[in-house]
Amino acid sequence: NAGVMQNPRHLVRRRGQEARLRCSPMKGHSHVYWYRQLPEEGLKFMVYLQKENIIDESGMPKERFSAEFPKEGPSILRIQQVVRGDSAAYFCASSPVGGDSYEQYFGPGTRLTVT
Amino acid sequence: AQSVTQPDIHITVSEGASLELRCNYSYGATPYLFWYVQSPGQGLQLLLKYFSGDTLVQGIKGFEAEFKRSQSSFNLRKPSVHWSDAAEYFCAVGAQRSYIPTFGRGTSLIVHP
Repeated sequence: NAGVMQNPRHLVRRRGQEARLRCSPMKGHSHVYWYRQLPEEGLKFMVYLQKENIIDESGMPKERFSAEFPKEGPSILRIQQVVRGDSAAYFCASSPVGGDSYEQYFGPGTRLTVT
Repeated sequence: AQSVTQPDIHITVSEGASLELRCNYSYGATPYLFWYVQSPGQGLQLLLKYFSGDTLVQGIKGFEAEFKRSQSSFNLRKPSVHWSDAAEYFCAVGAQRSYIPTFGRGTSLIVHP
């Protein structure tokens, strides 16, 4: 049973470009969470999605960031017009049910570097 | 809202020595508590969790943690550290019926041979 998959593992973008991060949840999981980790900091929640629905985006910056989890295919975290401050590790987690935080399984992360 | 404090940014121990990583939380009710480990370049792996019941929780890789309500603490322990335990350790607290844990800033464990 494959775990949570994220790609790419490393992504380099110039300022002003777009970054697309993908997350494939574990088989049987229909809930996806995105977190951002800045250097020497813990993970900060960004958004929680179910298939075709955004449940909670309270941690998402208001501009340039968006997320989706379509009926088919992986969840996508999209960052438009990236800036240096977007450089971070972005982690995706999935769970089989919603409403309980204890069964989140994390992917290996995408490390975004903005030059 | 809940919060987590991990007072030690770095901890250095010798291989074979015992380990205790500190975690203090702030939450008005009985929290859900977690410890995760993150190896370099990897995602987070759940070591153990506490929801209720026995306050001494056993986890994977020989780790355990004790919930002390009076001290608002959930310290992680291991009797004998192995070099492969070198990693970043995160404590997290979750509210009941909440899907989003709050993470501490992490403690980096360095193991000397």
